[in-house]
Amino acid sequence: DAKTTQPTSMDCAEGRAANLPCNHSTISGNEYVYWYRQIHSQGPQYIIHGLKNNETNEMASLIITEDRKSSTLILPHATLRDTAVYYCIVSLYGNKLVFGAGTILRVKS
Amino acid sequence: AAGVIQSPRHLIKEKRETATLKCYPIPRHDTVYWYQQGPGQDPQFLISFYEKMQSDKGSIPDRFSAQQFSDYHSELNMSSLELGDSALYFCASSLGGLAGSTGELFFGEGSRLTVL
Repeated sequence: DAKTTQPTSMDCAEGRAANLPCNHSTISGNEYVYWYRQIHSQGPQYIIHGLKNNETNEMASLIITEDRKSSTLILPHATLRDTAVYYCIVSLYGNKLVFGAGTILRVKS
Repeated sequence: AAGVIQSPRHLIKEKRETATLKCYPIPRHDTVYWYQQGPGQDPQFLISFYEKMQSDKGSIPDRFSAQQFSDYHSELNMSSLELGDSALYFCASSLGGLAGSTGELFFGEGSRLTVL
């Protein structure tokens, strides 16, 4: 599975969009990009995933660059409840998910 | 909607003792994954099962074993417990295994094991 690189931490003002970047320069053609988050000591929560097209659901949007070497998770209107560790994971479809070092997102009022 | 159920939620054991954690997946889910998360660490994949067969193996110690039963629930057995085994243990479930999964894993709330 390809390795990912994320910022250690980020701050975001409540009500503003949170843009979380992820680099995955060694991603292979059939690997997907998954985003999960973990709110303090709770089980990780699925957010979104994609292959090469941009994806949007009720929680977030996922923007994948054309060369697929990086992606950005967008939380359009961050709230205090979005404070969590966000994990970008690259994996073959249906395979186990290997969690690396995620981004600590702090949403501040 | 029913979620992944893990039991017990908290467990305290002495060194060298044995512990068993249970996981009940979401109804109709056929794939179960176990993760270990030590203090301040990221979740580490241990093992997974699809249709009662081991489908993948990660950094699971030889002292640990797991299985998935006919009703799809899974148990993680840990023997000769060490202080370093103190962690949150998460179970996740999905539908479809390697070929059919949507990629969305549903995690339980975790079982916190403390080894004294």
